[in-house]
Amino acid sequence: DQQVKQNSPSLSVQEGRISILNCDYTNSMFDYFLWYKKYPAEGPTFLISISSIKDKNEDGRFTVFLNKSAKHLSLHIVPSQPGDSAVYFCAASSGTSGTYKYIFGTGTRLKVLA
Amino acid sequence: GAGVSQSPSNKVTEKGKDVELRCDPISGHTALYWYRQRLGQGLEFLIYFQGNSAPDKSGLPSDRFSAERTGESVSTLTIQRTQQEDSAVYLCASSPGQGAIEQFFGPGTRLTVL
Repeated sequence: DQQVKQNSPSLSVQEGRISILNCDYTNSMFDYFLWYKKYPAEGPTFLISISSIKDKNEDGRFTVFLNKSAKHLSLHIVPSQPGDSAVYFCAASSGTSGTYKYIFGTGTRLKVLA
Repeated sequence: GAGVSQSPSNKVTEKGKDVELRCDPISGHTALYWYRQRLGQGLEFLIYFQGNSAPDKSGLPSDRFSAERTGESVSTLTIQRTQQEDSAVYLCASSPGQGAIEQFFGPGTRLTVL
């Protein structure tokens, strides 16, 4: 039972355009959401997070939107750059125990075309 | 400073053999996590250590899997009597402590069971 779903395994975007990566979740108890980026042969690196009390968080070219009623979050990258080409994972957690035991999606491979 | 390191980077073993994977967390990080990623899957939580508290082993898939952590430093994940379905990338992450949101990942150990 996949509690965090990334239904698009891959996405190609032209350099300079917007990349939109989507993530759906089923557990309404999740209260923290993160996006990680992963290059080949490296571990995932943290990109941006959002708590359930917000609906938007922005950091430079990266913005995460949270729609709690739809149990949906998305990551927008504007403008997209070739160096953004990587696999992006969304992750969700219920941190009520103080333990951020994240549940990850299966990832979306983004390719930014020069 | 140094990030999370893992060894070996690659391990090929025969079915039925035991393997030991090592993780060196970031110095001072009290929380340590093990995940695995099987081909085409998301990251799957295995086990969590926080300081001297009893570890959260709820993600371990069978009693063939065990992990230890010495104080707030090195951790080893042991898989006994390996099976082909254990083939995966095993990722270790550490974080500053309870309540910390971001986890810092190592590069992973790719385990192949023949």
